[in-house]
Amino acid sequence: DAGVIQSPRHEVTEMGQEVTLRCKPISGHDYLFWYRQTMMRGLELLIYFNNNVPIDDSGMPEDRFSAKMPNASFSTLKIQPSEPRDSAVYFCASSLDPRLGSSYEQYFGPGTRLTVT
Amino acid sequence: EDKVVQSPLSLVVHEGDTVTLNCSYEVTNFRSLLWYKQEKKAPTFLFMLTSSGIEKKSGRLSSILDKKELFSILNITATQTGDSAVYLCAVLVRGSTLGRLYFGRGTQLTVWP
Repeated sequence: DAGVIQSPRHEVTEMGQEVTLRCKPISGHDYLFWYRQTMMRGLELLIYFNNNVPIDDSGMPEDRFSAKMPNASFSTLKIQPSEPRDSAVYFCASSLDPRLGSSYEQYFGPGTRLTVT
Repeated sequence: EDKVVQSPLSLVVHEGDTVTLNCSYEVTNFRSLLWYKQEKKAPTFLFMLTSSGIEKKSGRLSSILDKKELFSILNITATQTGDSAVYLCAVLVRGSTLGRLYFGRGTQLTVWP
């Protein structure tokens, strides 16, 4: 099992450019989560999907951020235009449906370290 | 507002010491509390606690939940340098939007040899 796969691992871009982060969840997982982690704010949930449908996007900071999940094995998080304050590590995580069992574990990908100059 | 508060923010100990990390929470419709360990990469799952008073144990790590007082502790006995990491506490809220975890800021544990 390859786990959650994210790409790229590192991204350096200039302010104003479009950034697209990619995630492949663990096969069979119904839920997919996008998080952002900074020193100042810790780990924050941006949005999550259930069966490819966005369920809660209240954590998305502003309209510059958008996320899609066109199928069960792929999701993107896009920032357009990017700003220096978007610099952070972005994690994707996936999980099974918590209603199906007693365990609720989110498996995290390795993260994408984004630097916007 | 902070829903999940961890303390201390950082802790430095020597190998062999025992440490206790704290997590308090204030949420409605509590479902479960989870502990994660984060080294210089992605968080990895340690425990999930749903019932009060039942200790979960994995090697030198153990955790317990108090749903009346709204807190959990994570104990690490006989610490090793490999335990150095950020320990994250997260609360799962029951409700229409299943699956949402609220994370604390974490406790940075450093274990010196």
